Amino acid sequence: GAGVSQSPRYKVAKRGQDVALRCDPISGHVSLFWYQQALGQGPEFLTYFQNEAQLDKSGLPSDRFFAERPEGSVSTLKIQRTQQEDSAVYLCASSSPGQAPDTQYFGPGTRLTVL
Amino acid sequence: AQKITQTQPGMFVQEKEAVTLDCTYDTSDQSYGLFWYKQPSSGEMIFLIYQGSYDEQNATEGRYSLNFQKARKSANLVISASQLGDSAMYFCAMRERGGNKLTFGTGTQLKVEL
Repeated sequence: GAGVSQSPRYKVAKRGQDVALRCDPISGHVSLFWYQQALGQGPEFLTYFQNEAQLDKSGLPSDRFFAERPEGSVSTLKIQRTQQEDSAVYLCASSSPGQAPDTQYFGPGTRLTVL
Repeated sequence: AQKITQTQPGMFVQEKEAVTLDCTYDTSDQSYGLFWYKQPSSGEMIFLIYQGSYDEQNATEGRYSLNFQKARKSANLVISASQLGDSAMYFCAMRERGGNKLTFGTGTQLKVEL
């Protein structure tokens, strides 16, 4: 079956612009995660949804970052007034808690470059 | 303190040889899970293998096995019979009890040579 898809794959933004990154999880996966991966680093947790409920947003670096999953399927990560330090790969993952060990499956990521 | 430590920034191995990628972790939980992911240059994180803290046997998945030493808090990945396609970045990650997020190490870049 289809895996996690993300769009766009690449995004270039001028400093100060708003961007929206989309994630389509694996069909039927209840849990959805966003991670930020800086160059040469491991991914870092941003936020977590169970269905449409955002249960953990402790990793969002500032109030410029906002995520939603209004119908419990597709999710959008929005970054307002982008800054150069926001340049990173944004990874989305989904999982199904009923399927032990609740492995997270990742999408290909969106590479954001802020000029 | 780092929760996941991968001390090898880069590793080289010859084709068909075995290689061990190190991972140590830090947690006070008794129940946790350890994951290894592969990230090729294309960027996608590919799940390889999982070890639960209560699993008595080391996990194996094809050419991948996990050398789990709980007392030492280490979960090293062993890749047997390396192939050129194994060249990639490898990340160790942990999910602690009651949590959902994964905490990743900084990764090891593996290069398989002829």
